[in-house]
Amino acid sequence: NAGVMQNPRHLVRRRGQEARLRCSPMKGHSHVYWYRQLPEEGLKFMVYLQKENIIDESGMPKERFSAEFPKEGPSILRIQQVVRGDSAAYFCASSPVSGNTIYFGEGSWLTVV
Amino acid sequence: GQQLNQSPQSMFIQEGEDVSMNCTSSSIFNTWLWYKQDPGEGPVLLIALYKAGELTSNGRLTAQFGITRKDSFLNISASIPSDVGIYFCAGQEDSGGGADGLTFGKGTHLIIQP
Repeated sequence: NAGVMQNPRHLVRRRGQEARLRCSPMKGHSHVYWYRQLPEEGLKFMVYLQKENIIDESGMPKERFSAEFPKEGPSILRIQQVVRGDSAAYFCASSPVSGNTIYFGEGSWLTVV
Repeated sequence: GQQLNQSPQSMFIQEGEDVSMNCTSSSIFNTWLWYKQDPGEGPVLLIALYKAGELTSNGRLTAQFGITRKDSFLNISASIPSDVGIYFCAGQEDSGGGADGLTFGKGTHLIIQP
């Protein structure tokens, strides 16, 4: 009865490199959300996806960030040309349908050096 | 966009005391959720509220969905050391069929002195 699985849990990247964060939703969940948490802050919504569709990306930075949830495999949050300000915890969450209770993964901590 | 004001920002209490925290919103939510986050971990759902006026308990935790749909509170009775952590409220505008994620408060840091 696995929960939302995220990997890697911790990732260190040099400025200018790419970061890829993966998320496998809970079994039976077809809705995936990505959130970003800066130190001492709450979680900020980034993007909401269903299989093969981006439903709402209003919280995503316009450049360098992209997300996908392919038909097969995990959801991927991709950050290109990372900068120090991208250092944060990135949380994935899933729900069975929109509007239902959302469950979070344990997060991926990105550090950009 | 929506804004959630969560208070207090932090609480220093003695073990055994009761705790109360709340969130208010500038707009109406159809779902209120309360999460606890430990350092280095993801938020863990404590209580979910789906109906205005609803009062729900989970062990020593009690939460209510305000009648106006713009506020919620969380109470913890007889606090114990493992209650230490950051508590977040979260609201969701759409209760079905929509595309909204959650809006989070900034958290309440609970610190318990033995």
